[in-house]
Amino acid sequence: ILNVEQSPQSLHVQEGDSTNFTCSFPSSNFYALHWYRWETAKSPEALFVMTLNGDEKKKGRISATLNTKEGYSYLYIKGSQPEDSATYLCAFSYSGAGSYQLTFGKGTKLSVIP
Amino acid sequence: DSGVTQTPKHLITATGQRVTLRCSPRSGDLSVYWYQQSLDQGLQFLIQYYNGEERAKGNILERFSAQQFPDLHSELNLSSLELGDSALYFCASSVEGAHGYTFGSGTRLTVV
Repeated sequence: ILNVEQSPQSLHVQEGDSTNFTCSFPSSNFYALHWYRWETAKSPEALFVMTLNGDEKKKGRISATLNTKEGYSYLYIKGSQPEDSATYLCAFSYSGAGSYQLTFGKGTKLSVIP
Repeated sequence: DSGVTQTPKHLITATGQRVTLRCSPRSGDLSVYWYQQSLDQGLQFLIQYYNGEERAKGNILERFSAQQFPDLHSELNLSSLELGDSALYFCASSVEGAHGYTFGSGTRLTVV
């Protein structure tokens, strides 16, 4: 059974604060790590896909890092804004499955207080 | 609009009934994935189709079945429904899964 763990489960921050979340995944047979942003009543939206150990990706104020050897990824949000409020999902795919289905964590729910 | 279309958006039905959820993938995507999200659970992988053929199966109950048609749209059939089947069902599509999915907006199923 492949488990993807995300922490914290939920987070409340003040507008302007920077924050980060953790995603832990199995390090064996790693293929790719995905981050999604999921706003209430909308569909999950892809943020990043990372495949190489040491990868760093950035999109505006959001960035992510990847450590495949120890099996974790961090998502950082700099200067949080109310519109960043959402659930952030991480998902893992492994090689050898043939289908590359993603195994998702339960997400970190971020609430940014104006 | 993500390009992945799911219908219906909401469905309320009684226990013991059968329903069909429909998904049209993004143009050009050959893979369709079905996921279930129940209360307090993460997205649980149900099944994947690639170009009309079943590619992988996850935690899909025997009461559930799916298929992908020649035009690449997919249907998820849920039968003998139970209260515990109430959930948000997502369809996602991809050209090739390693590069991530595009999700539809989901179908919220309520079994009463």
